[in-house]
Amino acid sequence: GAGVSQTPSNKVTEKGKYVELRCDPISGHTALYWYRQSLGQGPEFLIYFQGTGAADDSGLPNDRFFAVRPEGSVSTLKIQRTERGDSAVYLCASSSWTSIADTQYFGPGTRLTVL
Amino acid sequence: ELKVEQNPLFLSMQEGKNYTIYCNYSTTSDRLYWYRQDPGKSLESLFVLLSNGAVKQEGRLMASLDTKARLSTLHITAAVHDLSATYFCAVDGGATNKLIFGTGTLLAVQP
Repeated sequence: GAGVSQTPSNKVTEKGKYVELRCDPISGHTALYWYRQSLGQGPEFLIYFQGTGAADDSGLPNDRFFAVRPEGSVSTLKIQRTERGDSAVYLCASSSWTSIADTQYFGPGTRLTVL
Repeated sequence: ELKVEQNPLFLSMQEGKNYTIYCNYSTTSDRLYWYRQDPGKSLESLFVLLSNGAVKQEGRLMASLDTKARLSTLHITAAVHDLSATYFCAVDGGATNKLIFGTGTLLAVQP
């Protein structure tokens, strides 16, 4: 596809449930980032992948959050035992790392609502 | 810890007027980005500023970077309604290029 895609676009779940959010980056982009955006705030960094490995997971808020990128393309963000405070828009971005500009291109996001 | 501050947080302006959004950051960084976000939408890249004194222009928007002052500005010339959106600046947070975003400036251009 032409851009970063994310599924689902909306996810409503109950407190305590497990959710998976998917990101499909721009083809050929080796760098993939997850951010979380709360209402009225700027995005906050969660985790960064270069290829298959998580090169920086310093933004994950706790061990309920985990992300994988097993084949270096699609990534899944997994949240266990969801809490109401996890409600936010989860954004995925990818970049090519082939130029100094390294612009990150963002997907449309997944709006997660925890009831 | 790298922090990014924008001001103003909200800007209401009339069509045809000029204004500037300011972005200050707390520690040295090589790259600064400006993004636009429309309500309910994702972020659209506007500018990437890579060096001290860099200036980039696209239509009615012009961005500049002063790395010594740790300041970037986004100048709006002769605003039109279509520019209404939230504008974020973001600073490169280090070796992994994670972005540290400001709180955003909500721009409302009134006819």
